[in-house]
Amino acid sequence: SQQGEEDPQALSIQEGENATMNCSYKTSINNLQWYRQNSGRGLVHLILIRSNEREKHSGRLRVTLDTSKKSSSLLITASRAADTASYFCATDKTDSWGKLQFGAGTQVVVTP
Amino acid sequence: SQTIHQWPATLVQPVGSPLSLECTVEGTSNPNLYWYRQAAGRGLQLLFYSVGIGQISSEVPQNLSASRPQDRQFILSSKKLLLSDSGFYLCAWSFGGSYNEQFFGPGTRLTVL
Repeated sequence: SQQGEEDPQALSIQEGENATMNCSYKTSINNLQWYRQNSGRGLVHLILIRSNEREKHSGRLRVTLDTSKKSSSLLITASRAADTASYFCATDKTDSWGKLQFGAGTQVVVTP
Repeated sequence: SQTIHQWPATLVQPVGSPLSLECTVEGTSNPNLYWYRQAAGRGLQLLFYSVGIGQISSEVPQNLSASRPQDRQFILSSKKLLLSDSGFYLCAWSFGGSYNEQFFGPGTRLTVL
């Protein structure tokens, strides 16, 4: 079963705009991670936020975590065509030995 | 630096044939290793994980098995493939003893006909 659920399923924006996607999960977690997948490729780790953190930045990425609402958001600022990809959140549940549960992903298309 | 390799990149196999997918990691010791399957347009489903040689944990009962004959080698196998085994198979690793980010291989696209 999937622990994380991303919203929206698909997002189409123009270069320079910001892209925001959300992830909701069901049980207590150790951390939440975001990954990017280009079509037909492996996943690339973007950012990890621990359960005791509320916000984290990495370059043009901003991640927030609200454990009371069991939700996270990923913001990509000033998007580029190269940001076109699917984005997945993955949760590491408490006592899960690092096993990740992935959502179905948000497919982002950035047009020039 | 660490690298992860998977092969083959693509594979087309008939129903009932055996399967062997290989994953190797370089540049680290005693990694945690993972096999995932991804159906088209979906997220990843964890199939197996291993925290050491000969230690395999299965997440989903199915037609597949995994083995870890060497520290940095992880093999996914099947004796008889089913149509439902088609998908994109991804191997990943994380640093042993920690449960943080995972690093993924390029994947194997398996089509069972």
